[in-house]
Amino acid sequence: GAGVSQSPSNKVTEKGKDVELRCDPISGHTALYWYRQRLGQGLEFLIYFQGNSAPDKSGLPSDRFSAERTGESVSTLTIQRTQQEDSAVYLCASSLEPRKVWTRSYNEQFFGPGTRLTVL
Amino acid sequence: LAKTTQPISMDSYEGQEVNITCSHNNIATNDYITWYQQFPSQGPRFIIQGYKTKVTNEVASLFIPADRKSSTLSLPRVSLSDTAVYYCLVGDFYNQGGKLIFGQGTELSVKP
Repeated sequence: GAGVSQSPSNKVTEKGKDVELRCDPISGHTALYWYRQRLGQGLEFLIYFQGNSAPDKSGLPSDRFSAERTGESVSTLTIQRTQQEDSAVYLCASSLEPRKVWTRSYNEQFFGPGTRLTVL
Repeated sequence: LAKTTQPISMDSYEGQEVNITCSHNNIATNDYITWYQQFPSQGPRFIIQGYKTKVTNEVASLFIPADRKSSTLSLPRVSLSDTAVYYCLVGDFYNQGGKLIFGQGTELSVKP
């Protein structure tokens, strides 16, 4: 079946502009995650959706970052007034609803290929 | 959250067994140990997960000693295509809402 897809694959923007990044999770996956990966670094958690609700927004670095999810499907990450430090790869992942006792079929996260954002 | 420490980089040759050890001294009772693999320009991919003792799947083995303060990912007979960054993650993923906390990872380079 289809995996997680993200668009655009690359985005170059000017400092101060707004950008929208899109994630299409695997069909039926209720959990959706956004991560950011700076060059040569590990992934940083940004936000988690369960259904259309976001119970954990703790990783959003500033109020310029926001995200929404509709129809328990597509999610959009919006960065307003972009800064050069926002340049990174933004990755989306999805899974079934995580279980307390780790179960691969429920807890495994499937990642998309990412959107490379460059802010000039 | 349990902090993890793993080597920044490792080199190997095709056909060798590779063992990557991760230290997690303050692992908690409810924490699981998970390893992800990331190829250049791709998102990470799940490799293996364990709680204690030894786990083996079609890709790798995971060895966890009784005190659980470390774990070792073992890749048998690596090939050039195993060149990637390997991340060790430790956490109570359920109570973290499922979010994954990534460290720096180990960059494995497999040479011919």
